[in-house]
Amino acid sequence: EVTLVESGGGLVQPGGSLRLSCAASGFTFSSFWMHWVRQAPGKGLVWVSRIKSDGDSTIYADSVKGRFTSSRDNAKNSLYLQLNSLRVEDTAVYYCARDGGGGPLGAFDIWGQGTLVTVSS
Amino acid sequence: EMVLTQSPGTLSLSPGERATLSCRASHSVISNYLAWYQQKPGQAPRLLIYGASNRATGIPDRFSGSGSGTDFTLTISRLEPEDFGVYYCQQYGISSPRTFGGGTKVEI
Repeated sequence: EVTLVESGGGLVQPGGSLRLSCAASGFTFSSFWMHWVRQAPGKGLVWVSRIKSDGDSTIYADSVKGRFTSSRDNAKNSLYLQLNSLRVEDTAVYYCARDGGGGPLGAFDIWGQGTLVTVSS
Repeated sequence: EMVLTQSPGTLSLSPGERATLSCRASHSVISNYLAWYQQKPGQAPRLLIYGASNRATGIPDRFSGSGSGTDFTLTISRLEPEDFGVYYCQQYGISSPRTFGGGTKVEI
């Protein structure tokens, strides 16, 4: 079975940091580009970042650029998102998602269950 | 930046009825790289349609997508009770940002 499982969410104070993880199984993780998407409570989906299959290239939404860093360890079938300088408006459920296109342009065909990040003092 | 506008905001229908959801793009979507997702409360989104009109694996044939350029439609031919939720469109013809629409809530 193809699955993605996120972990690492929690409560953090403004200005703090958190590292999210996404464990992949059931497919050749190293062949797929991956994304992070977030959803604030009661709001819609917002794309956050994308990382190339070999980890060599990353891009970010303007709202998180310079604060968030996406990385991956293909040997461990794992994707990561380092969240620094967190703001109250970063509060959201964070999803990892697989790019099903086999390259840089594809629909998100597999999603994790999400992990909640709450930024509050 | 591409903007996707979904309408209506909420659709209230009965089982067996037809649902028509619209997604309008501010610019032409490259190669009709437009996807539709369904999200139920407390769950992750699920891919329904990719490439504007292709059903994803395991998606019932009552779901269909159509359109090109800037105007796209998701149709649910005969609503089932389990079809309630929020539906999002997304363009993936531009690598960044991968824009989502604001969503349409389908109430059964």
